[in-house]
Amino acid sequence: AQSVTQLGSHVSVSEGALVLLRCNYSSSVPPYLFWYVQYPNQGLQLLLKYTSAATLVKGINGFEAEFKKSETSFHLTKPSAHMSDAAEYFCAVSQSTGNQFYFGTGTSLTVIP
Amino acid sequence: DTGVSQDPRHKITKRGQNVTFRCDPISEHNRLYWYRQTLGQGPEFLTYFQNEAQLEKSRLLSDRFSAERPKGSFSTLEIQRTEQGDSAMYLCASSFSGANTEAFFGQGTRLTVV
Repeated sequence: AQSVTQLGSHVSVSEGALVLLRCNYSSSVPPYLFWYVQYPNQGLQLLLKYTSAATLVKGINGFEAEFKKSETSFHLTKPSAHMSDAAEYFCAVSQSTGNQFYFGTGTSLTVIP
Repeated sequence: DTGVSQDPRHKITKRGQNVTFRCDPISEHNRLYWYRQTLGQGPEFLTYFQNEAQLEKSRLLSDRFSAERPKGSFSTLEIQRTEQGDSAMYLCASSFSGANTEAFFGQGTRLTVV
């Protein structure tokens, strides 16, 4: 069975501070991992995905994530938070066949001016 | 192609009525997914199609839920005899087939059952 756990349902950071959103996965096989962002009343937009080509993955809007197999983690980071980063962030894992995406419960990011 | 589109964006219905939502995927994509999202939760998988074939439907929440993709293009999700607990955001997504292909999501249909 595959699943993801997002620690911290709410994270607040000051504008300009480091953003760290945590995601741990559970998978019996090498996973396919994704981070999505959702703005209010909108669908989900892909931030980045792990392709196994590199453990450090760069995405849009200055976000990046590092795949750590030993820790079964895929945490999302951004060096300097911007007000426009305030949104809900979801980590997801897909099966090897890619026929389902399993989402975490999400982390709501608040950026304090 | 403007992405995945869903219609309507909002639907308010009375308990017991039937509702149908439409999803138009990205035209090149052969996979189409339906998810439900309730407040404060991540999207919950309901069903998916590869072309016109519905390959997984065991996660549909009850027999009141059904989905179709008759010609392998657009899809509809129907909820019969709606209940207040059906109130949620219903998300559609599409992708290419194969592993490690990301899903592209529509903006969702927000259903409110009163």
